[in-house]
Amino acid sequence: AQSVTQPDIHITVSEGASLELRCNYSYGATPYLFWYVQSPGQGLQLLLKYFSGDTLVQGIKGFEAEFKRSQSSFNLRKPSVHWSDAAEYFCAVGAPSYNKLIFGAGTRLAVHP
Amino acid sequence: NAGVTQTPKFQVLKTGQSMTLQCAQDMNHEYMSWYRQDPGMGLRLIHYSVGAGITDQGEVPNGYNVSRSTTEDFPLRLLSAAPSQTSVYFCASSPGDEQYFGPGTRLTVT
Repeated sequence: AQSVTQPDIHITVSEGASLELRCNYSYGATPYLFWYVQSPGQGLQLLLKYFSGDTLVQGIKGFEAEFKRSQSSFNLRKPSVHWSDAAEYFCAVGAPSYNKLIFGAGTRLAVHP
Repeated sequence: NAGVTQTPKFQVLKTGQSMTLQCAQDMNHEYMSWYRQDPGMGLRLIHYSVGAGITDQGEVPNGYNVSRSTTEDFPLRLLSAAPSQTSVYFCASSPGDEQYFGPGTRLTVT
């Protein structure tokens, strides 16, 4: 069955510290992978996406993610977290038509000053 | 462009009432989808459309109907609301790669 697992429900980091959010997926074909961010009371904003090619993808707001096929992972990273990064982060895998996304349960990030 | 718009932003219904959540996009995207978001469960696909006149069921379609008479609009209908449908509903549109999400509708069924 297709699924996305985000093992960490909540993560707290200090401002300026590095961040890694984990995402593992189960998918029968070549995955199309996404990371979205949701600020409180807001909709979802795309951070980055992976369709093919270079396995290290750069996104907005200084985020990057690395696709590792052998580990079925697509972890999100940022070298230095800002207080404005506090939000909920969702990993998703897409069907070939890109129209059906399967989401993980999300990781809520808190940033301490 | 306004992008993806949803109305209303908030709604309270009594069990058994019906209502329609509106979704519109002005980007001429062929694909549109409805998701519901529940705590600890991420977003789950309710229904989707690959073009005007074409709709299909997603992961959690029961209790919801959709239609797609124009490219721009994709309303979601609750025929007889149940407390289990209390959730935040997101509409999304896509040109075929990434999806663009609306701001959401928070629905409470009492």
